[in-house]
Formats: sequence, C-alpha cells, structure tokens
Amino acid sequence: DAGVIQSPRHEVTEMGQEVTLRCKPISGHNSLFWYRQTMMRGLELLIYFNNNVPIDDSGMPEDRFSAKMPNASFSTLKIQPSEPRDSAVYFCALHLAGIYNEQFFGPGTRLTVL
Amino acid sequence: GIQVEQSPPDLILQEGANSTLRCNFSDSVNNLQWFHQNPWGQLINLFYIPSGTKQNGRLSATTVATERYSLLYISSSQTTDSGVYFCAGVTQGGSEKLVFGKGTKLTVNP
Repeated sequence: DAGVIQSPRHEVTEMGQEVTLRCKPISGHNSLFWYRQTMMRGLELLIYFNNNVPIDDSGMPEDRFSAKMPNASFSTLKIQPSEPRDSAVYFCALHLAGIYNEQFFGPGTRLTVL
Repeated sequence: GIQVEQSPPDLILQEGANSTLRCNFSDSVNNLQWFHQNPWGQLINLFYIPSGTKQNGRLSATTVATERYSLLYISSSQTTDSGVYFCAGVTQGGSEKLVFGKGTKLTVNP
C-alpha cells in the first residue's frame, strides 16, 4: 500500500449521517487522489490534489461530497448527508515525486450506508 | 473521455496454465499501469509500462503505444494469482487522472 494509511477501514452508517474518510500519505508525494469503486461503475476518480491544491474535482458526484487537503500529510473525503448509493470502497492513492508517474493505492475504506 | 476495454472479462484456468490478458484504449494514453486486486480488495501494482516490455517473475507485460494496447502475460499460473486484473491509463493533455478498465476476473483452480 506504498505507505498510505486510510481510516476507518470499514464504516457502516445510516442514511443521512455525515461520513468522514481519512487518508494519511507518506511524505515525498506530490499528488494525492481519491477513487471510488462500485460494482456498477468500477473504479473512478473523484478528485485529486497536486501540492495540496485541488486540480480536478470533476468526478465528485454532487455537492454532498467534499474533499480537503489541509497539509501534505492529511486528506479527508466527507459525505454529508450520506445515502445508500454512496456505499462503495473508497481508495486514496499517491503519485510519488520523481521521474515516474506511477500511482500507488492505499488499502481502501469500505463504506456501507444503510 | 477515453474508453478502456479489457478482455476477456472472465477467465478460469487450471493451476500451471498460461494466459494473456488484453487492454485496448480508445485514444493514446500516458502512464499505463497494470494492477492486481486480490480477494481482500487490495490494489497491487504489477507494472508501470507506458511502452515496451517488462518482466517480473512469472508475469510480463507489453505495451504497444502506437496501436493503443497492452498485454499482460501470466505463466505457470498459481491459485494465488486469482483476483481481478485492471489496466489503467492517463489521458494525454496534462491530467493525472487514471482511467480504469472494467477488469478481468481470473480464477485459478488447483
């Protein structure tokens, strides 16, 4: 998982509740990505940051979703209010600084919204 | 946007068999990667292969960028190779967004 810590690993919540997913990357990266995986849509990018600045948030489904990266060591993805269709696995990924543009994925957070 | 097609969608093998997985892109891509998603859901990097051929043990990959396809070869398959194999690429133009195929689900039986 290339030194990406995601928490929680599993989250079960009820519709309408606020959900916050967290990603703690190792140092030395310059881009951080949030992806979502569902059976229907597969793996898709929600948003990514470069040097802590949001670059492309076109994949964020709607205003209920928001993401922040207050510093290089921490990012959050928030869903408020959550809905059953938000149930998915959410991955945080890194692009490590260097000559290659390879992305490495964290272990993911499995979210279930009842 | 770019389309990524993977084939076959499902593959069942006996242990020891060889296989070839294919990934076609509708447009030129940069930063082509192959991943293995194991039964626990982890996405494991296999190859970063924008062009050329690479080998890592029983696995190898070839990307022909001019023809917009990539192949993943698995030789002497083992039950631990089971899972879903994804290819993904970044569209040319400056974005870092990885676009994924739908995957090939591989089952290796003992």
